[in-house]
Amino acid sequence: SQQGEEDPQALSIQEGENATMNCSYKTSINNLQWYRQNSGRGLVHLILIRSNEREKHSGRLRVTLDTSKKSSSLLITASRAADTASYFCATDASGAQKLVFGQGTRLTINP
Amino acid sequence: DAGVIQSPRHEVTEMGQEVTLRCKPISGHNSLFWYRQTMMRGLELLIYFNNNVPIDDSGMPEDRFSAKMPNASFSTLKIQPSEPRDSAVYFCASSPWEGAYNEQFFGPGTRLTVL
Repeated sequence: SQQGEEDPQALSIQEGENATMNCSYKTSINNLQWYRQNSGRGLVHLILIRSNEREKHSGRLRVTLDTSKKSSSLLITASRAADTASYFCATDASGAQKLVFGQGTRLTINP
Repeated sequence: DAGVIQSPRHEVTEMGQEVTLRCKPISGHNSLFWYRQTMMRGLELLIYFNNNVPIDDSGMPEDRFSAKMPNASFSTLKIQPSEPRDSAVYFCASSPWEGAYNEQFFGPGTRLTVL
């Protein structure tokens, strides 16, 4: 089963609005990462948050991590058409030597 | 700087044929990963190398799949013989850190279609 699962599976909003995506996972982690994938392209790393961090910012991105609930959220503020993509969370199960990706949230920004 | 380079970008072959996918990681990166992405199973790690040595190949689906990394700047993923269920997008990724749970840099992928 997937270590990380995103919610919702698809999200459609108007340009300028904020977009929030959630990720839940099952086991303890060292860190959690978010990646973006544009259609037909490879994944691009957005942000990494460690298990001892609660919040991290990068430009218009804000990531939170709640290890007690085993969940994370990615907030994109003031969305743009160029933010249209699939967003994946990836986690490492403690002791595992690999990242496990969720199924992703497909975000559509309508102009 | 060049990112991860994969070739070919698209491959169409017939069932039973041998397929070889190629990857050139970012110069100086210590780790290399092969992933497969399908609609049904999402993104799955097939194998990862650290300093050219295979560390975890538990994701390789069966003996028809093999991967090599003869040097720090080149890796191949081979499928022999190929089957229609192997149709997917195959990604190569590299990382400057040892271990598989740090930031990874992905290539553009190879879209494989097995008829």
